[in-house]
Amino acid sequence: KAGVTQTPRYLIKTRGQQVTLSCSPISGHRSVSWYQQTPGQGLQFLFEYFSETQRNKGNFPGRFSGRQFSNSRSEMNVSTLELGDSALYLCASSLRSGTSGGGDTQYFGPGTRLTVL
Amino acid sequence: DQQVKQNSPSLSVQEGRISILNCDYTNSMFDYFLWYKKYPAEGPTFLISISSIKDKNEDGRFTVFLNKSAKHLSLHIVPSQPGDSAVYFCAAKQLRTGNTPLVFGKGTRLSVIA
Repeated sequence: KAGVTQTPRYLIKTRGQQVTLSCSPISGHRSVSWYQQTPGQGLQFLFEYFSETQRNKGNFPGRFSGRQFSNSRSEMNVSTLELGDSALYLCASSLRSGTSGGGDTQYFGPGTRLTVL
Repeated sequence: DQQVKQNSPSLSVQEGRISILNCDYTNSMFDYFLWYKKYPAEGPTFLISISSIKDKNEDGRFTVFLNKSAKHLSLHIVPSQPGDSAVYFCAAKQLRTGNTPLVFGKGTRLSVIA
């Protein structure tokens, strides 16, 4: 079956703009988690959505937000972009909620590379 | 405060030899550990996991060892192959208590030289 897809794959924005990234999970998966990967910090958890509800949120400012639709597709939005937001944004899907203690394996998409100029 | 640490940013190993990637954690509540492998331009791929009730888990060429008293785990790849060249991430979570996301280390870049 098809894996996790993320669009767009690459994005260039300027400071102050906003951006929306999209993630389509593996068919049947109801949990979508978002991570930010930077060279200095590794993968850092942004938030997780399960059945359209945010289950957990990482330590990021309110400029980072997300949502999940009834078909489990998810979007994340970053407003008022800063240079430090340049990163690879990864989304991962799992069958059950990854933060419910289920321990389900998370399957990652290829990521969206965001560059803020 | 980094709860999962991979202190070696890179590692070079000859083809056919053993690769040992190390990971330390500080949060004693972590009870489930995973290793992911990442190739350039791809997302991380799950490799192997271990629960804190075990001290070893094996899957083909990959073995993960867990030393709870030292809060240390390691991934052994035997024999190493050129296709194993990638960035390896160690991750941990609280499985029994729930509602905790995965915490990742910063990764170790493994280069297997033919």
